Amino acid sequence: DTGVSQNPRHKITKRGQNVTFRCDPISEHNRLYWYRQTLGQGPEFLTYFQNEAQLEKSRLLSDRFSAERPKGSFSTLEIQRTEQGDSAMYLCASSNLPSFNEQFFGPGTRLTVL
Amino acid sequence: AQRVTQPEKLLSVFKGAPVELKCNYSYSGSPELFWYVQYSRQRLQLLLRHISRESIKGFTADLNKGETSFHLKKPFAQEEDSAMYYCALLYNFNKFYFGSGTKLNVKP
Repeated sequence: DTGVSQNPRHKITKRGQNVTFRCDPISEHNRLYWYRQTLGQGPEFLTYFQNEAQLEKSRLLSDRFSAERPKGSFSTLEIQRTEQGDSAMYLCASSNLPSFNEQFFGPGTRLTVL
Repeated sequence: AQRVTQPEKLLSVFKGAPVELKCNYSYSGSPELFWYVQYSRQRLQLLLRHISRESIKGFTADLNKGETSFHLKKPFAQEEDSAMYYCALLYNFNKFYFGSGTKLNVKP
């Protein structure tokens, strides 16, 4: 197990297109988080899962964003009708008992919307 | 509303000098605070958390509820400490609020 992985690492798309990112957490980690990070800012919470259940979504997450974790393992984050303001680094993190509070981050997917 | 403030975008010190990276928070509940670090070309990783009261790589951080601060300190900086440092607040038991980060540059 090499840690949290994310694919693709980079994505360039045109405005209006849909994109999907994948996150594979550390095996048996039952919590999975998605964050967005823009230049000069820290990671910003988007949503998190406990196993396959999506327990919370940020109010910042518009209707164009959707996340799934169908079998409680990997997760996908889809952005529909991308806008230039969606350009950012999208980070995934996972955690598990005994300390849910120690998050292990993936390398991120950098999205550029032209 | 919860908030984490890191007032310095960049902090430059010479090797061997003391380092203090500032973090102030705003939270009505009982705070749980963390420092995360990101070295060049590496992923974000946990450095330390206040409940552990531990020293990691020579760094310590004390939670001061009166001043609502959680400053990160090291008495003698090393070149390998150069990185981005993020202060993070756990709120509602499940979510993290990160500060905007401080880039530490340790000069030889």
